[in-house]
Amino acid sequence: SQQGEEDPQALSIQEGENATMNCSYKTSINNLQWYRQNSGRGLVHLILIRSNEREKHSGRLRVTLDTSKKSSSLLITASRAADTASYFCATDPRNTDKLIFGTGTRLQVFP
Amino acid sequence: DAGVIQSPRHEVTEMGQEVTLRCKPISGHNSLFWYRQTMMRGLELLIYFNNNVPIDDSGMPEDRFSAKMPNASFSTLKIQPSEPRDSAVYFCASMIGGSYEQYFGPGTRLTVT
Repeated sequence: SQQGEEDPQALSIQEGENATMNCSYKTSINNLQWYRQNSGRGLVHLILIRSNEREKHSGRLRVTLDTSKKSSSLLITASRAADTASYFCATDPRNTDKLIFGTGTRLQVFP
Repeated sequence: DAGVIQSPRHEVTEMGQEVTLRCKPISGHNSLFWYRQTMMRGLELLIYFNNNVPIDDSGMPEDRFSAKMPNASFSTLKIQPSEPRDSAVYFCASMIGGSYEQYFGPGTRLTVT
């Protein structure tokens, strides 16, 4: 069964607006990652946040992690039409190399 | 680097036939993962290997599915016999063990009629 649940399932915004996606998970983790998937393509790693970190930035991406609530958020600032994709959070249960992916958020950015 | 290579990209087969999906991981990566993606079930981990050894195959749906990794540069996922409910996109991903970041291939879209 999937560990991560994301909301919203779908999000539509205009270019220039910010997009926020949330992820909840169930068990203790080493790290949490966010991946992006363009239609018909494989997933691409965006950013990793460790369990002892609370916030991380990479370009227009900002990720937060609250281990007490077992939740994370991904913020994309100043969105572009090219950001249109599905976004997945992924967690790695302790003492394993595998990733458990969330259900994903489909982001549509209109020009 | 060419990235993770999967073949074929598309496969259409009839129920009951054997299907073999292939994956070449990124050179130097010692962990390999097979996933299945469907609209209903999302992205599911089927099996993963470390240093060519299967570590966790708990996601393999049933005995019709088998995976091998005979060497560090090649892995196969076989379905025999195939069924319509196996229709999905199958992804292979590789990783340097302990690095956490996985690199995905383009996927194989399997349709079983």
